[in-house]
Amino acid sequence: VQMVESGGGLVQPGGSLRLSCATSGFTFVSYTMNWVRQAPGKGLEWISYIGETPASVQYADSVGGRFTISRDNAKNSLYLQMNNLRADDTAVYYCTTSGGYSYGTFDYWGQGTLVTVSS
Amino acid sequence: ETVVTQSPATRSVSPGERATLSCRASQSVSSDLAWYQQKPGQAPRLLIYDASTRATGIPARFSGSGSGTEFTLTISSLQSEDFAVYYCQQYNNWPRTFGGGTKVEIK
Repeated sequence: VQMVESGGGLVQPGGSLRLSCATSGFTFVSYTMNWVRQAPGKGLEWISYIGETPASVQYADSVGGRFTISRDNAKNSLYLQMNNLRADDTAVYYCTTSGGYSYGTFDYWGQGTLVTVSS
Repeated sequence: ETVVTQSPATRSVSPGERATLSCRASQSVSSDLAWYQQKPGQAPRLLIYDASTRATGIPARFSGSGSGTEFTLTISSLQSEDFAVYYCQQYNNWPRTFGGGTKVEIK
């Protein structure tokens, strides 16, 4: 199982970024997917979920209305469109699988991509 | 939202000793609870799911117990590679929520 996030970087408050997660080594279409973030020196925060098909999505209140999760099963890839970014969105963003061990666990993780929101 | 609280924030343990970490949910999550280990600079790793089942490749010295609102992760005999931060997470309802973590450090 391999998951590689990309697209992080420095962005100004109010700006946008699109994160990608390229996966391999497992049947992507059979897994639900999530984004989990970790602010510097802080704990873990789940922020978004997408089912095997894009019809089923969930968001944390902290990002709902600003972030959009999507997937491309043909490309084995997960995405996170982040708009209207704020300083408190600064974090390492991890993509994770779920549904392998149990329906809500985060089974496999990428190495993360750092998003810094600052002027 | 289910608030998940871990205690203590830091536990100092000598190698070879037993460590017990606690996790409490603000409402019942049945057995829908997982434990993760995170080492500095690394992504978290799933240890335990469904409160007490070890994930593939996780050593038998790690065990989980509990249901409802009270859960425990026990490391029976701490090895050098076990010094890390441990998080619990509930998946009984949305949003999925994590505890704040317990750092297990060398005494």
